Parts: sequence; structure tokens; C-alpha cells
Amino acid sequence: EVQLVESGGGLVKPGGSLRLSCAASGFTFSGYLINWVRQAPGKGLEWVSSISGSSRYIYYSDSVRGRFTVSRDNAKNSLYLQMNSLRAEDTAVYYCARDPSTYYHDSSGYHPHYYYGMDVWGQGTTVTVSS
Amino acid sequence: EIVLTQSPGTLSLSPGERATLSCRASQSVSSTFLAWYQQKPGQAPRLLIYGASSRATGIPDRFSGSGSGTDFTLTISRLEPEDLAVYYCQQHGGSPPVTFGGGTKVEIK
Repeated sequence: EVQLVESGGGLVKPGGSLRLSCAASGFTFSGYLINWVRQAPGKGLEWVSSISGSSRYIYYSDSVRGRFTVSRDNAKNSLYLQMNSLRAEDTAVYYCARDPSTYYHDSSGYHPHYYYGMDVWGQGTTVTVSS
Repeated sequence: EIVLTQSPGTLSLSPGERATLSCRASQSVSSTFLAWYQQKPGQAPRLLIYGASSRATGIPDRFSGSGSGTDFTLTISRLEPEDLAVYYCQQHGGSPPVTFGGGTKVEIK
């Protein structure tokens, strides 16, 4: 079964750090770009970060750039999100989501040849930033 | 940034009725880069439509997508009770590269 399972969420004080994990199974993990998407309580979806299969290409939203670091270990079929300098507005459910599209990368970013959407999502892990 | 505006905010319909959900982009979006997701209460989002009109694996044919340029539509031809959910459109392009609409909540009378 194709699956993504997030872990590592919890309660952290403002300014603190947390490391999220996303464990993949049932597919060739290294062949896919993976996204982090978050959802604040009662709000919509917000893209956070993307990392290509080889880790060569990494992208962040403006709201987390410089504070969050995405990485992956293809040997362990795992994705990580290191979150530092956490703020109250980072409180959200964090999802990892697989993207089967193929991309070309240039100075302006990454562009799908054809976009197949985020076809597999984990169940999410909750991060609460509060004193 | 490409802003996606979804309307209406909430849609309340009876089982068997047709639901029409709108997604309007602040600038032209290639239809090949437009997707729709369904999020049921307490669950993760699920991909419904990619390429504006292609159904994802396992999605019933009562769900269909259409549109081009700045105007896209998700249609549920015959609502069923399990279609209670929030529906999001999403595009890939520009900066930031991924943006979502604010969502349309579908309620079943």
C-alpha cells in the first residue's frame, strides 16, 4: 500500500524548534518530489516546502524561508522538516504529500511538464506553538 | 503571486442535486497546472482532479472539472451524503509556485 506517515508534532514554545518526519512506503520514494503543506486550525491549505527526489532542488514559501529546512534520506524512505524559531502562526497540522509530476528547474523555480497534483497525502501531524 | 478565489464559500444542497464550485485565478493559469482536492472532516485532503479535467485514480465519474484561463469549475453531478467536505482548487506556477484557493464547503441538507 502506498503510504505516507508523519510524526514529530507537539507543543513547543515560541522561538523553539521541532523536527517533523514523514515515512514513505509502497513506492519508490527517491523518484518523487515531496511537499510539506500545512493547515492552521479552521483555515485552508498552505504550501510550505518542496524537495526533489534527489534533494538537488529545494523550495520554500516566504513565510518559512530561513527558519525551516527540508531534507530527505532516500535510503530510509524518509522526509524531514526541521523547524526553528517557531512562531504562534506556525501552529497547524503539517502534511507531507507526494507529487508524481516531472519538472524542469531554472533560475525562476521549478515548472511541471504536466502537473499531476499531490496524489498521496499523509494523515498529518499537529504542531502547536504556544507559551 | 497567483491568487485563487473560490466561490461560494458554502454550498448547501440536497442529495441528488448538482453542485457547481468556482475557482477564479488572479491571472491566467495553464489548465494543465490546475488541480482540485476534497477534504472531509478530520481527514487529509484527497486529490480529485488534475489537469483541470482529469479524474484521479478511484474518483467517481460524478466529479468533473472544466475551465481555462482564469475560470475553473468543479461539478458534482449528483450529490451524495458522503460528498460533505471542503473542496480546494490549487495551481502550480508563479511565485510562490504552489497556491491553494480558500475552499468551498459543501453541506448536505
